[in-house]
Amino acid sequence: GDSVTQMEGPVTLSEEAFLTINCTYTATGYPSLFWYVQYPGEGLQLLLKATKADDKGSNKGFEATYRKETTSFHLEKGSVQVSDSAVYFCALSGSNDYKLSFGAGTTVTVRA
Amino acid sequence: GAGVSQTPSNKVTEKGKYVELRCDPISGHTALYWYRQSLGQGPEFLIYFQGTGAADDSGLPNDRFFAVRPEGSVSTLKIQRTERGDSAVYLCASSLTSRTSGGPRVFFGPGTRLTVL
Repeated sequence: GDSVTQMEGPVTLSEEAFLTINCTYTATGYPSLFWYVQYPGEGLQLLLKATKADDKGSNKGFEATYRKETTSFHLEKGSVQVSDSAVYFCALSGSNDYKLSFGAGTTVTVRA
Repeated sequence: GAGVSQTPSNKVTEKGKYVELRCDPISGHTALYWYRQSLGQGPEFLIYFQGTGAADDSGLPNDRFFAVRPEGSVSTLKIQRTERGDSAVYLCASSLTSRTSGGPRVFFGPGTRLTVL
């Protein structure tokens, strides 16, 4: 079945550092790929998505590129802020579209 | 506008008891989903409603779990004879439709934290 594997945390960074969170997936067909974020005390919210190979999703300075050849969707941000401290989840929706499969989440803490 | 709301936010119960968790989706959203998030894990799909009917309940772990959405809006997740392993955060989500190319835009509620003692 569909599955997502993402980099284990926790990750601790200083402000303005470069952030990468690795995500790889297993799926049949052509899944859509997502990054969700959960800020402290808040619910899950969509950060960005990509629906086909070579698409780049971007939002709030974060980017991720759908790489079919490596089955990856790594999340990157060039200069993190304290406000980026959160748990980040990589996810995919497969051929049925409506069902999301999530990775285990990566906790990111950014220190001033 | 109002997002997805869930009540209660926290529920503590004893092993063997029955619990109900409620979800109010965003008004006008026809698709509703339940997920379960265990500690240190990502959310896992439980069930999906399109309107009033359960279109996919393949994620329900066993027959102690049941969900309804009688009027196509509010949904209730029901757990009978609770076990300690049921302790988790139960997330509800909704979307305008479910059949959108590239996947629907799904909005999650804050979750209900269930603790079974």
